[in-house]
Parts: sequence; C-alpha cells; structure tokens
Amino acid sequence: TQLLEQSPQFLSIQEGENLTVYCNSSSVFSSLQWYRQEPGEGPVLLVTVVTGGEVKKLKRLTFQFGDARKDSSLHITAAQTGDTGLYLCAGAGNQFYFGTGTSLTVIP
Amino acid sequence: NAGVTQTPKFQVLKTGQSMTLQCAQDMNHEYMSWYRQDPGMGLRLIHYSVGAGITDQGEVPNGYNVSRSTTEDFPLRLLSAAPSQTSVYFCASSLTWGTGPEQYFGPGTRLTVT
Repeated sequence: TQLLEQSPQFLSIQEGENLTVYCNSSSVFSSLQWYRQEPGEGPVLLVTVVTGGEVKKLKRLTFQFGDARKDSSLHITAAQTGDTGLYLCAGAGNQFYFGTGTSLTVIP
Repeated sequence: NAGVTQTPKFQVLKTGQSMTLQCAQDMNHEYMSWYRQDPGMGLRLIHYSVGAGITDQGEVPNGYNVSRSTTEDFPLRLLSAAPSQTSVYFCASSLTWGTGPEQYFGPGTRLTVT
C-alpha cells in the first residue's frame, strides 16, 4: 500500500503550457518535500513545505501544502523542456515516505 | 567535497548470491538511508541510520542488512539475492533527522538478479 499517491503518473505537454501535479495521502505529515529526478541520477530537492496552507514559489514552480497537511500540489507555469523529469513528493513522519512519482515530458 | 558516492553503478547477480552495496558521504551527516526504486512505486525506504552504531528498519527491510560503524559509511548487504530484488538502489544522507531535512542522494546502483 502506497502512503502517498501522485497524479497523474505520466504527463506529456507542449512547451509553454501550464500543469499541476498532485500528491495525496490519508496521513498527516510534519512536512512535505518535492524532488526532481533526471534519468540515471538521484532525486534532487526542490522545496520543503512545513505549515498547513503554505505556498512556496520557485521561479515558475508553485508548491502548496494542504491545510490539513495531508496533500500537496506542484504547479508549473509556462513549462520548458528543461522541466522534463520525474517529480516525487515525500512526506516526513517517523520515516520518509515517497510518492509514486509523476513523469513529465515537455515537448518543444 | 564528493557528496554521496555509491559503488558499484551496475551489478548483475545470480539468485542466491550475496553482495554489498557501498555508500559513503563526506558531509558529516548524521542521518543516512537506503531506498529502492521500482517503476510506478517511487522510492521505498529499506533501512536507515540516525548516527554511527544506530540502525533501524524502513518500509521494506526483508532480505537486506545494514551496519553503521562510522559516520561516513553505510553499506547495504544482500544476503541471498532474489529476482524480486532487481531494482535501482539509492543511498541518501541528511545533516539531521527531523522535520524537512534536505536529503542528498547518491547516483544509484542498478542491480539485476537473474
């Protein structure tokens, strides 16, 4: 049973389009992180959100932590080919729990 | 400063063989962990350590052993490899254990068990 479910699992969009990736759970987490992973490499941290309702922006990426600290979303504005990769959410509880992942392909 | 290093990068084993995946970090991080990554399942925690001499089980510990004799090294041992252990293995470290520490990941070891 996966503690964190991400949707969609795969996403293919044109350059310039907007997209949102969701990370949902029935469990409460003390914090939630988003990572991006490129082929053949380990994940790299993008952001950590700690407070329920928190919104963080990283250039064209906007991250939101749900009010109840059970879910999160990642919104990308005007996607670029360099955004292509696997996006993973991870919740911190007594351990780290990673989501199922969203594979994003941005087509030029 | 090399960060987190893992060896080997690729490995093929026959069922029943044993081997050790090496992981080292030079950032003086207290917390280290091992994950496996399988298609459609994200990363799953195998074992973790909050400091030298202290280890604990994660979500999927069966078939794996770990030890932490130094702060720098955290090897993962496969006792008797099975095809179900075919996966990509990542080692990670962070400065502390608690809310939202950044985990630094190694480049991974791709293991195939035939």
